[in-house]
Amino acid sequence: DTGVSQDPRHKITKRGQNVTFRCDPISEHNRLYWYRQTLGQGPEFLTYFQNEAQLEKSRLLSDRFSAERPKGSFSTLEIQRTEQGDSAMYLCASSFTSGKETQYFGPGTRLLVL
Amino acid sequence: AQKVTQAQTEISVVEKEDVTLDCVYETRDTTYYLFWYKQPPSGELVFLIRRNSFDEQNEISGRYSWNFQKSTSSFNFTITASQVVDSAVYFCALPNSGGGADGLTFGKGTHLIIQP
Repeated sequence: DTGVSQDPRHKITKRGQNVTFRCDPISEHNRLYWYRQTLGQGPEFLTYFQNEAQLEKSRLLSDRFSAERPKGSFSTLEIQRTEQGDSAMYLCASSFTSGKETQYFGPGTRLLVL
Repeated sequence: AQKVTQAQTEISVVEKEDVTLDCVYETRDTTYYLFWYKQPPSGELVFLIRRNSFDEQNEISGRYSWNFQKSTSSFNFTITASQVVDSAVYFCALPNSGGGADGLTFGKGTHLIIQP
């Protein structure tokens, strides 16, 4: 059984550049979540999809952030005009439909904005 | 809003000692789930347990056990005979409520260090 995968695992960028991350969920899962984790903190919920529909966005998700899941399979998270405060680990998780099923996490993408 | 408090920022014990990680939560939901995840140095969150608020029986899985007490809103995690491989950050989590959001609210985590 293939787990959740994320690409890239690490990204270094300069302030003001755009970056895009990809998440491939567990194939049977139709819910996909994005979280952000900064050093010394627990993950913070950003947004989630059920199939291709984005059902919830946290107030943490500023206008510079956009997420898509066009065919209900993989998802992308784009950050435009990156700021140093965007430096964090971006985690993706997937689960079955009910939402109360267990979320399984990928290895994360660590972003450093210089 | 949901809240999860893990008051122990860091715990250090010697291998083979027992250790308990505390989790206290706040929710207005009458039914809910609680979760524990492990985050080793590699960074990937590993699922450990999901517990329904209806079920207050303690659960044991090998060296791991969980004590859920709804009356005190606590869901504590005990590792018996700890091993160096147990060294990690451990997170307690609670699903978000309202608006259909099913993301998780995490505590800040407890960094567990097992010394050989």
